[in-house]
Amino acid sequence: KQEVTQIPAALSVPEGENLVLNCSFTDSAIYNLQWFRQDPGKGLTSLLLIQSSQREQTSGRLNASLDKSSGRSTLYIAASQPGDSATYLCAVDTGANSKLTFGKGITLSVRP
Amino acid sequence: DARVTQTPRHKVTEMGQEVTMRCQPILGHNTVFWYRQTMMQGLELLAYFRNRAPLDDSGMPKDRFSAEMPDATLATLKIQPSEPRDSAVYFCASGPPGGRPNEQFFGPGTRLTVL
Repeated sequence: KQEVTQIPAALSVPEGENLVLNCSFTDSAIYNLQWFRQDPGKGLTSLLLIQSSQREQTSGRLNASLDKSSGRSTLYIAASQPGDSATYLCAVDTGANSKLTFGKGITLSVRP
Repeated sequence: DARVTQTPRHKVTEMGQEVTMRCQPILGHNTVFWYRQTMMQGLELLAYFRNRAPLDDSGMPKDRFSAEMPDATLATLKIQPSEPRDSAVYFCASGPPGGRPNEQFFGPGTRLTVL
């Protein structure tokens, strides 16, 4: 059974800092991996999707990398801003009916 | 702009009562997912529909939960009878036909509290 882990559960950084959020998964036979953002009381918004054949994806100040063989992904946020404060979840797709397995998320707080 | 809508946004009920949650997928989307989010378990897939047909409901307790799509614009998740352990936020997500894998658009969720 696929398990997705995100550690730590919470992170607080000062504004302007570059930071890395980690995600690990137990079964490397994934179809793709996705990073989501969740604001308090809201649903999830997709940030980046990395296909299993890709190594990284970039969108603005966000860069996600994937190392399938070691079961790891990282989300890099450059020059963090208070508006980046949210919970960041990673999810892996094993290909069976596009079923996603989610990590529990990392709650990020960026202090002004 | 097109969004997934869910009603009600909040529901407080007593143990044993029936609860029905509704979801309106984005117009034209043909896949619908129901998820449950708790602090302990995180986000879990309960059921998944494509073209109104259930494809996977293995994550759903069958004895008390049921999910249906009466038509293409409405998905429902019903709990009968509800129990305190069902307290969670329930999310609906929809995806477009022929979209890339996992292109899911989430609704704002229904926060359920069972006393």
